[in-house]
Amino acid sequence: DTGVSQDPRHKITKRGQNVTFRCDPISEHNRLYWYRQTLGQGPEFLTYFQNEAQLEKSRLLSDRFSAERPKGSFSTLEIQRTEQGDSAMYLCASSSTGGARSPLHFGNGTRLTVT
Amino acid sequence: RKEVEQDPGPFNVPEGATVAFNCTYSNSASQSFFWYRQDCRKEPKLLMSVYSSGNEDGRFTAQLNRASQYISLLIRDSKLSDSATYLCVVILNTGNQFYFGTGTSLTVIP
Repeated sequence: DTGVSQDPRHKITKRGQNVTFRCDPISEHNRLYWYRQTLGQGPEFLTYFQNEAQLEKSRLLSDRFSAERPKGSFSTLEIQRTEQGDSAMYLCASSSTGGARSPLHFGNGTRLTVT
Repeated sequence: RKEVEQDPGPFNVPEGATVAFNCTYSNSASQSFFWYRQDCRKEPKLLMSVYSSGNEDGRFTAQLNRASQYISLLIRDSKLSDSATYLCVVILNTGNQFYFGTGTSLTVIP
């Protein structure tokens, strides 16, 4: 399977703990995106990378959130001091060139539950 | 104002019906448009791109109206398997951010 893969699929954590998610994009895709989705809403943009450079961050991404893509391949999203409001599906997506005619391909997502 | 607005529905239609969804976008600089399908508790999957001249893929037809800033999706001869949430997506001319609507829920009833 050469699609986008995310790990773990599910994560349950207690409030105040740190969590880290991993995303492996489609290998030839140089753009990688993180989105968050809550029930009844569309995916909300968090951040995106072109190769290893983080080019854009949403204001939704508070100081407790950090994302990296150190070698321009896989990416990690870390949430520090989790809060109940962080409970959501975290989706990773990749695309080849970005922009016109280059849609996003999503991974299965990581469902985070903060208790 | 949100970049993309959709009627959340739900739309409940009988098998074989034709159903249409609209999606409006606020930024006239929007460059590219897509429809995604999302099944319950699954990731969004690309359904089709939306081209200026309109495009069709089997029972699905997508159209773009730049003057009124909306895109539409028409599903003909609805199948039970079409039941899902349909998300419209808009990309600005910067090409960096994909803006998603909240999704329109469709249930096709036997």
